[in-house]
Amino acid sequence: DVKVTQSSRYLVKRTGEKVFLECVQDMDHENMFWYRQDPGLGLRLIYFSYDVKMKEKGDIPEGYSVSREKKERFSLILESASTNQTSMYLCASRTGTGNEKLFFGSGTQLSVL
Amino acid sequence: GQNIDQPTEMTATEGAIVQINCTYQTSGFNGLFWYQQHAGEAPTFLSYNVLDGLEEKGRFSSFLSRSKGYSYLLLKELQMKDSASYLCAVRSASGGSYIPTFGRGTSLIVHP
Repeated sequence: DVKVTQSSRYLVKRTGEKVFLECVQDMDHENMFWYRQDPGLGLRLIYFSYDVKMKEKGDIPEGYSVSREKKERFSLILESASTNQTSMYLCASRTGTGNEKLFFGSGTQLSVL
Repeated sequence: GQNIDQPTEMTATEGAIVQINCTYQTSGFNGLFWYQQHAGEAPTFLSYNVLDGLEEKGRFSSFLSRSKGYSYLLLKELQMKDSASYLCAVRSASGGSYIPTFGRGTSLIVHP
């Protein structure tokens, strides 16, 4: 079975903390994505990566950065967490052809207090 | 940019048929996906359309009209387990890659 694993299911952090969200996929996929999901707003793209060490901004990159040092791992970093970053964060991956569906992780519910 | 519209919420009766619509405006259209997401779970792939017409897969079918910027997901013989959010996602070319943009999702409630 294909698998996208997010390191934490629930996370509680304080305002100003640096937060790392980790995502690992075992399908040798080139493309990886970070979305956040908020009630009434749907999934919004934060960052994506075509391949190792490559990254592109999505629709809402402000306050976030990413790291892709290895093909299987894509990390989302909140440099200084704020309360408006409380959200469900979903990682996804797919092959590099662009014609394929996304495989999603189970999500990380982040609360910033 | 892209604009994707789908109803916020729908209700239906077990055993019935329901149609969830999705309209979109985008440049460089290159495919439309439907995903299902149960509460507290990850979205999972349901269907993909890139050419006009109907794609059938068991109880679920998806239709696309590119000229009208319109798609629908048809669910037949509804079951209680079909209560979930249904996400329409449109893919377009962006800098050489094909990035899916999601609508806000339609919450479907199936009642006995």
